[in-house]
Amino acid sequence: NAGVTQTPKFQVLKTGQSMTLQCAQDMNHEYMSWYRQDPGMGLRLIHYSVGAGITDQGEVPNGYNVSRSTTEDFPLRLLSAAPSQTSVYFCASSYGNLAKNIQYFGAGTRLSVL
Amino acid sequence: AQKITQTQPGMFVQEKEAVTLDCTYDTSDPSYGLFWYKQPSSGEMIFLIYQGSYDQQNATEGRYSLNFQKARKSANLVISASQLGDSAMYFCAMREGRIQGAQKLVFGQGTRLTINP
Repeated sequence: NAGVTQTPKFQVLKTGQSMTLQCAQDMNHEYMSWYRQDPGMGLRLIHYSVGAGITDQGEVPNGYNVSRSTTEDFPLRLLSAAPSQTSVYFCASSYGNLAKNIQYFGAGTRLSVL
Repeated sequence: AQKITQTQPGMFVQEKEAVTLDCTYDTSDPSYGLFWYKQPSSGEMIFLIYQGSYDQQNATEGRYSLNFQKARKSANLVISASQLGDSAMYFCAMREGRIQGAQKLVFGQGTRLTINP
């Protein structure tokens, strides 16, 4: 029962570096999302996807790119890391179009940008 | 405007007591859902309970219940007979709409609950 798997768990970047946060789910969920969690601010939606090939922006999309080539994977790309992107990143997935659409979260990736 | 408000940054409760964590929300959409998640110190987000805006009864899941007062726009989480393992951060979240909004959860800032032995 892997559920939602995020890699890496920890990462330190220098300003300007790029990297990809990986997210994979084995529950055949249609919907996947990326959130960031900053101290005192709860979770904020970065990007989400309603299925393979379909993505859309959330509340805080600037500085991040996503793509969804398969149902299972939803990577988040930081093109040029900035200190303001220091945060904990969570990937989540859920079933399709249901009212009670419970999102299941990965364990998170803690990112520090120096 | 803040869509989800959790006014209690921290709460301290004695073990075995009941505890109520407050959550108020703001939406003009008649169709919405309210969720509570628990985040222990290990960091993962654990789903606790869900309440739909059209649900007639308050949701319950084991020791968790949701005190849903639609007119007041509040969705307070009640934990009965608290345990040491309940010490964690608790987040209230809202989903607006039924279709396109399905993936758009808006979270409150959270309440840190500490259970004292």
